[in-house]
Amino acid sequence: QKEVEQNSGPLSVPEGAIASLNCTYSDRVSQSFFWYRQYSGKSPELIMSIYSNGDKEDGRFTAQLNKASQYVSLLIRDSQPSDSATYLCAASSGTYKYIFGTGTRLKVLA
Amino acid sequence: DTEVTQTPKHLVMGMTNKKSLKCEQHMGHRAMYWYKQKAKKPPELMFVYSYEKLSINESVPSRFSPECPNSSLLNLHLHALQPEDSALYLCASSHLLGNTIYFGEGSWLTVV
Repeated sequence: QKEVEQNSGPLSVPEGAIASLNCTYSDRVSQSFFWYRQYSGKSPELIMSIYSNGDKEDGRFTAQLNKASQYVSLLIRDSQPSDSATYLCAASSGTYKYIFGTGTRLKVLA
Repeated sequence: DTEVTQTPKHLVMGMTNKKSLKCEQHMGHRAMYWYKQKAKKPPELMFVYSYEKLSINESVPSRFSPECPNSSLLNLHLHALQPEDSALYLCASSHLLGNTIYFGEGSWLTVV
């Protein structure tokens, strides 16, 4: 069974802190990894995609991938209350199928 | 704002009704998807179209019937649904099959 695992949270961080969201996956053929943000009652919105080992930065967001450890993370710097949402991690082996984690709920406290 | 547009945003239908969900994208994407999402669960793939042809049906009950009239449009026809089919229905698209998926805003469906 191919799986993507995330801690459901909630992960609570104070405003201005770094939020660290983690995801592990079981399928070694996974090549592509995605982080989506989903506000309550809304649809998932793509934040980052990452394909190679290492870090990828986009504004306040940094995705980190370690294929040897089958681990992908998302760091959010200078967290804002507007970052409060559920963050979905997804893995793909390059086909149509995304394996989604159950999501981590992030709460940024003002 | 997402470039995948879904209508209606909210739909309430009876178990004997026939209704349709519509999705449109103008990004030139050739792969389109229907997902279903229940509360506090991840999106669950239903159907995949590639170049306007149905590529994948994830064993979805026949009361859900997809249609892809052209490369920009995707419909989901609904008939004789059950209350447990109430969910957020998400349309998505990608440049090609296997590329990054972009979701629409979703259609909230309530079956009464």
